[in-house]
Amino acid sequence: SQKIEQNSEALNIQEGKTATLTCNYTNYSPAYLQWYRQDPGRGPVFLLLIRENEKEKRKERLKVTFDTTLKQSLFHITASQPADSATYLCAPHNYGQNFVFGPGTRLSVLP
Amino acid sequence: NAGVTQTPKFQVLKTGQSMTLQCAQDMNHEYMSWYRQDPGMGLRLIHYSVGAGITDQGEVPNGYNVSRSTTEDFPLRLLSAAPSQTSVYFCASSPGGGETQYFGPGTRLLVL
Repeated sequence: SQKIEQNSEALNIQEGKTATLTCNYTNYSPAYLQWYRQDPGRGPVFLLLIRENEKEKRKERLKVTFDTTLKQSLFHITASQPADSATYLCAPHNYGQNFVFGPGTRLSVLP
Repeated sequence: NAGVTQTPKFQVLKTGQSMTLQCAQDMNHEYMSWYRQDPGMGLRLIHYSVGAGITDQGEVPNGYNVSRSTTEDFPLRLLSAAPSQTSVYFCASSPGGGETQYFGPGTRLLVL
């Protein structure tokens, strides 16, 4: 069955540094991978989608990579700010299939 | 647009009671789904619907029923609540399966 792992349950970094979150998946070949942000007590919010033929996608301070050979996606937040503190979820998927979300990484950016 | 709305925000039930969690969306999305989120388990799919009148089971459907009589509404029914159903429940909608999902604010359920 599909399995998704995210590098660590929690990640603490200093403000201004780059945060790197990892999403690894096994037992399937997704054509897309999405990243979501979830704040405490709220539902997840979509951030970025990357396709299998796109090696990298950027949006403001966010950058996502997608390596289908390694079965891995990296999510980077550059110049991190305390407001970036949240849980980040990855969801590799194929069009028309149900989503399977990773367990999430709780990021804390310390001032 | 209100997006995806869920009611109630918080509910306490006794074991054996039944209740319905409401979910509505105003984006004319065909695809709607229910997830539960538990510490350390992530989001798990309970039921989903690809359109009015069509529903199917997800990963953890036992103890839950759904129906989809309109495009807008997708209620989740707990038939006989159990403590194992204590969780946070999220409803989501998307234009189609596998597309970006829009989540509601969640319902926190405590079963005693």
